[in-house]
Amino acid sequence: RKEVEQDPGPFNVPEGATVAFNCTYSNSASQSFFWYRQDCRKEPKLLMSVYSSGNEDGRFTAQLNRASQYISLLIRDSKLSDSATYLCVVNIPGGSYIPTFGRGTSLIVHP
Amino acid sequence: SAVISQKPSRDICQRGTSLTIQCQVDSQVTMMFWYRQQPGQSLTLIATANQGSEATYESGFVIDKFPISRPNLTFSTLTVSNMSPEDSSIYLCSARTGANPEDNYGYTFGSGTRLTVV
Repeated sequence: RKEVEQDPGPFNVPEGATVAFNCTYSNSASQSFFWYRQDCRKEPKLLMSVYSSGNEDGRFTAQLNRASQYISLLIRDSKLSDSATYLCVVNIPGGSYIPTFGRGTSLIVHP
Repeated sequence: SAVISQKPSRDICQRGTSLTIQCQVDSQVTMMFWYRQQPGQSLTLIATANQGSEATYESGFVIDKFPISRPNLTFSTLTVSNMSPEDSSIYLCSARTGANPEDNYGYTFGSGTRLTVV
């Protein structure tokens, strides 16, 4: 079983739709969770951190469920510019905390 | 957050040769990471580089193939040695810009090096 798993998609949604991604992690001692966005042929960029209490940044909402060991990302009112790959990152303990990436979920927002 | 300058941005190399990739961070960072990303795949961690100590390599990666230097808190290099076409990939460096695992600054990435081995 992979340490961090994501549905690769692609998720194909119309503009204005609400879309949600989940990411599961296997190590219950994991600390710090993040969502990154990666555009085609570009490096990953931090979208938002995921706090235990859940957090919101504009149209984006991130949540952490430690009991079920998953994090989620909700995007409301999707824009064409939201089309990208969304990477889940989990800090997994191992001597020092190691950032481990999911394979990413592709989102395509169409007119 | 920190800014990382990575170079070269791309290169086409002959098999059997070596390429050294450099990453310069605009602030001091304790931990730096080197990743490889195959087309359509996620990032695979090659090694963790701490200043003043040998890099820690992940399973499947060895120092002879991917020697790493970390001479100070703002700079690191990764060398891809004795290259073969299977080494064609995007190589990314990253720095932890937070002070501890609970820090919410996460990780900053260099812009990547697109390597093609022919």
